[in-house]
Order: sequence, then C-alpha cells, then structure tokens
Amino acid sequence: RKEVEQDPGPFNVPEGATVAFNCTYSNSASQSFFWYRQDCRKEPKLLMSVYSSGNEDGRFTAQLNRASQYISLLIRDSKLSDSATYLCVVNKAPYNNNDMRFGAGTRLTVKP
Amino acid sequence: EAQVTQNPRYLITVTGKKLTVTCSQNMNHEYMSWYRQDPGLGLRQIYYSMNVEVTDKGDVPEGYKVSRKEKRNFPLILESPSPNQTSLYFCASSAPTGRRTDTQYFGPGTRLTVL
Repeated sequence: RKEVEQDPGPFNVPEGATVAFNCTYSNSASQSFFWYRQDCRKEPKLLMSVYSSGNEDGRFTAQLNRASQYISLLIRDSKLSDSATYLCVVNKAPYNNNDMRFGAGTRLTVKP
Repeated sequence: EAQVTQNPRYLITVTGKKLTVTCSQNMNHEYMSWYRQDPGLGLRQIYYSMNVEVTDKGDVPEGYKVSRKEKRNFPLILESPSPNQTSLYFCASSAPTGRRTDTQYFGPGTRLTVL
C-alpha cells in the first residue's frame, strides 16, 4: 500500500461546479497535512495546510479525518484557473518535519 | 524576493558523466530537500537536510549524493548518471514551526535527460 494515495482523475468539471478530492494516508502517527497545487511542468505551490478542526480559504475547504486517515479538499464554484494537479502531502512521522510524502496527484480540468 | 533557485533548468547528458545540480535559497531556511518527479509516481524524496552538515536519505537515495556545507546551498550530485535517473528534479526548503513543518518552497525544477 502506498503511504499516500489519491485518485489520479482526471476530473473534468464545468465552471461553477463543486468538486471534492480525497486522499488517504497509511501512517497513523503523521501530524502535518497539506494540499499543494502544481501547474503543468511547474513547481508545486502550497494551496493550504490542513488542520484537525478543518479550515477554509475562500472557495477551498480542507478537512482531516484522523480516525479514517484521510484528508479532503473541496473546491466550490470552480474557475478555469483552478485547472491543475492537486497534491496531497503528509509528513512521515511526528518530529521528523522534513520527511514528507507526496501523493501522485489528482488532475483537475475545469471547462467553460 | 524570497525564492529557491536551481541550476541548470534543463540538462541533457550521457551515462556516466558526473553532474551537479545546484540549489540555493535566500530565506535562511534550515530544512532543504531534493525530490524527483516521475509520471504516475508523484514526487519522491531523494535526500533531505535538517541543518548544515546534517543530511539523511529519503525514499530513493541510490545513485545520488548531497552536501550541506552552507545553510543556503544544497547541491545534488550524480556521480555516474544512468538513464533511469532521467526525471524532473525539485529542490525545496522550509523552516520548522514548532513541531510542525512550515510550508515547503520549491525551486522551478531541473529537467534531466540521461542518454
């Protein structure tokens, strides 16, 4: 089993749609969780951190479910500019803050 | 401007010819990492460093070396490159925030082809 698993997609949605991605992780000791966005052939950039209580940033909402070991990302009112690959990132173990594991990414295409 | 720089951005080389990819950050970050990205596999960590003279293996260290003599620089060395090291490489840096990792800042990537 991969340490971090994501549905690779692609997800093709119309503008204005709501889309949700899930990511599961295998290490119950993980404490840091993030969603990154990666545009084609570019470097990943932090979209948002994921906190236990869940957090929202504009149209984006991230949730963490420790019991089931998954995190989610919800995008509301999709824009064309949201088209990208979304990477789920989890740290491997507590106190080892530089040892991160990336999912393979979920590709999103928003169409007019 | 806060940034991570990598050089070269593109490199085509031949099997066995030693090469170094440089990485530099200007944010005074303690943590630095190297990743490779291959289709369907996502980013995999090659090596990481938690401070000067402190380095450790990631998931796929075979065939690579690193050094951290200065805080800002973290070069990746391929002593004898092979075709299976053809990949897109990213350097990243971050600063610790208590017990949680702060966001990682990535360089623009180095696309390496080994013939």
